[in-house]
Amino acid sequence: QQPVQSPQAVILREGEDAVINCSSSKALYSVHWYRQKHGEAPVFLMILLKGGEQKGHEKISASFNEKKQQSSLYLTASQLSYSGTYFCGTESLNSARQLTFGSGTQLTVLP
Amino acid sequence: KAGVTQTPRYLIKTRGQQVTLSCSPISGHRSVSWYQQTPGQGLQFLFEYFSETQRNKGNFPGRFSGRQFSNSRSEMNVSTLELGDSALYLCASSLDRGNTDTQYFGPGTRLTVL
Repeated sequence: QQPVQSPQAVILREGEDAVINCSSSKALYSVHWYRQKHGEAPVFLMILLKGGEQKGHEKISASFNEKKQQSSLYLTASQLSYSGTYFCGTESLNSARQLTFGSGTQLTVLP
Repeated sequence: KAGVTQTPRYLIKTRGQQVTLSCSPISGHRSVSWYQQTPGQGLQFLFEYFSETQRNKGNFPGRFSGRQFSNSRSEMNVSTLELGDSALYLCASSLDRGNTDTQYFGPGTRLTVL
């Protein structure tokens, strides 16, 4: 069963913040975040392992709540280059190395 | 270091035909996974290969098969193509350093079945 991402789409102005959520009904081992621009391959952003770690990458960070099996991706002071579709991929405890992706969140950053 | 490469980038086939797609992983990466991406179903896991062996398999019919060579390059084959097989097929490679690892995606092969 695929994780549920919310919101499905979000439109921002440059400099605004956004949060994308990813929720799973399975016990997770890890959550992987990717960004895909139209016609391109998904690009890896970060990986979070169970244990509630919070990772950061420039102005993009993420958290993983192991108790709730939820992960959130935080984009602060968004830039035009942040536009794209964001996917979370989850690894469950009994399906290691097999990513199950959410349906994606389309992020549009306007000038 | 070169990224994941996939060939061909675009392919047009007719129903009933078969197709073979190729993936060359990042140098040193030993695990290769294949995914199907469609507007309706999103990104779905097909299978993963490591050391020339299929280690994981998703919920796809037996028409979808793959293999991995000793140099870690991988091929995916779809037999008896159906219209619904039209999709972007992505492969991803990883170092395989433990229980989990970052997967790096290639540009994909866009398959159109007429």
